[in-house]
Amino acid sequence: GDSVTQMEGPVTLSEEAFLTINCTYTATGYPSLFWYVQYPGEGLQLLLKATKADDKGSNKGFEATYRKETTSFHLEKGSVQVSDSAVYFCALTPRAGGTSYGKLTFGQGTILTVHP
Amino acid sequence: NAGVTQTPKFQVLKTGQSMTLQCAQDMNHNSMYWYRQDPGMGLRLIYYSASEGTTDKGEVPNGYNVSRLNKREFSLRLESAAPSQTSVYFCASREALQSYNEQFFGPGTRLTVL
Repeated sequence: GDSVTQMEGPVTLSEEAFLTINCTYTATGYPSLFWYVQYPGEGLQLLLKATKADDKGSNKGFEATYRKETTSFHLEKGSVQVSDSAVYFCALTPRAGGTSYGKLTFGQGTILTVHP
Repeated sequence: NAGVTQTPKFQVLKTGQSMTLQCAQDMNHNSMYWYRQDPGMGLRLIYYSASEGTTDKGEVPNGYNVSRLNKREFSLRLESAAPSQTSVYFCASREALQSYNEQFFGPGTRLTVL
């Protein structure tokens, strides 16, 4: 079945440091890929998405590129801020067909803490 | 435009009690979902509704029932709560079952079963 694997956390960085959170996936065909963010005490918000190979999603200084050859969708930010402290989830939705059509499969989440 | 709303925000139950978690969306979305979030396990799908009048099991449906009351509302019922159902529950909606659409999430219900 489909699966998403994220790098183990928690990740602790100083403000203005470079961030990478690794995400790899297993799926049939060409899924759509997402990064969601969860701030403390809140629900999940879509951070960015990519729907086909080589697409780059970007938002709020975060970027991720859909790499089909390595089945990866790593999240990066050049300079993190304290306000970026949150839990980040990588997720996929398969293309049409099969029993999992339309469902989101999540990674386990990565806790990011940014210190001043 | 409130998006996805959930009630209650917090709930404490005793083992064997029942309760219904409510979810509503005002985005005219066809598909709705219930997830549970447990530490280190990400979010797992309990049930989903592709459209009004249909519901299907997800990854972890045991111990739960759902009702798609109308296009806006999708409720989750625990008939006899167990400590293993202590979790944070999220409702989500999506425009339709199409792969490029994201899901929109509610703020969650934190449930403790004693």
